[in-house]
Amino acid sequence: GQQVMQIPQYQHVQEGEDFTTYCNSSTTLSNIQWYKQRPGGHPVFLIQLVKSGEVKKQKRLTFQFGEAKKNSSLHITATQTTDVGTYFCAGRPNDYKLSFGAGTTVTVRA
Amino acid sequence: GAVVSQHPSRVICKSGTSVKIECRSLDFQATTMFWYRQFPKQSLMLMATSNEGSKATYEQGVEKDKFLINHASLTLSTLTVTSAHPEDSSFYICSARNPGGYEQYFGPGTRLTVT
Repeated sequence: GQQVMQIPQYQHVQEGEDFTTYCNSSTTLSNIQWYKQRPGGHPVFLIQLVKSGEVKKQKRLTFQFGEAKKNSSLHITATQTTDVGTYFCAGRPNDYKLSFGAGTTVTVRA
Repeated sequence: GAVVSQHPSRVICKSGTSVKIECRSLDFQATTMFWYRQFPKQSLMLMATSNEGSKATYEQGVEKDKFLINHASLTLSTLTVTSAHPEDSSFYICSARNPGGYEQYFGPGTRLTVT
């Protein structure tokens, strides 16, 4: 079945640095969503991308959807300690079910 | 944003007993809710889709007789883990889709420990 791969699994970042997490699907997605789960918490919706090549920004977070609608990325600039958590991408093929990636767990060194 | 609650937040039960977990949408009606399972440091695994007024749709490999789902109203879905075993210990999270939208709102999760 459809599978969403996410890399890296872990990202250790120096405070102030940038990093990117990548999401790849074996099939074309109708849309892709990103969620953030803080340690001990539950996933919280961040954004949805629908259009081919779409780019959306939320302050220091930049989300991108690939031209082929099979991959996506999340880039965070000037990482802060509040960015700690696990970031999940979730792809939706033509049905209604979301398929979650394995997540990228981010830790920040002050 | 919309709020989804889950109860209980933590439960410890003995092997062989059954545990019921409730998922409620507090300020919106949810015709569809989703139940996920999450192992430590792993992703969310969809177990089943709960449909109000009809049978749940289970994912491949999920035993419907073990994980009973009831979606009796537009604001409540329940997951009952029957005859629980230690391997059922996990973090169970429900979610509901924003009516007319696309984002999913997740409950705070239920940590189940079976001894």
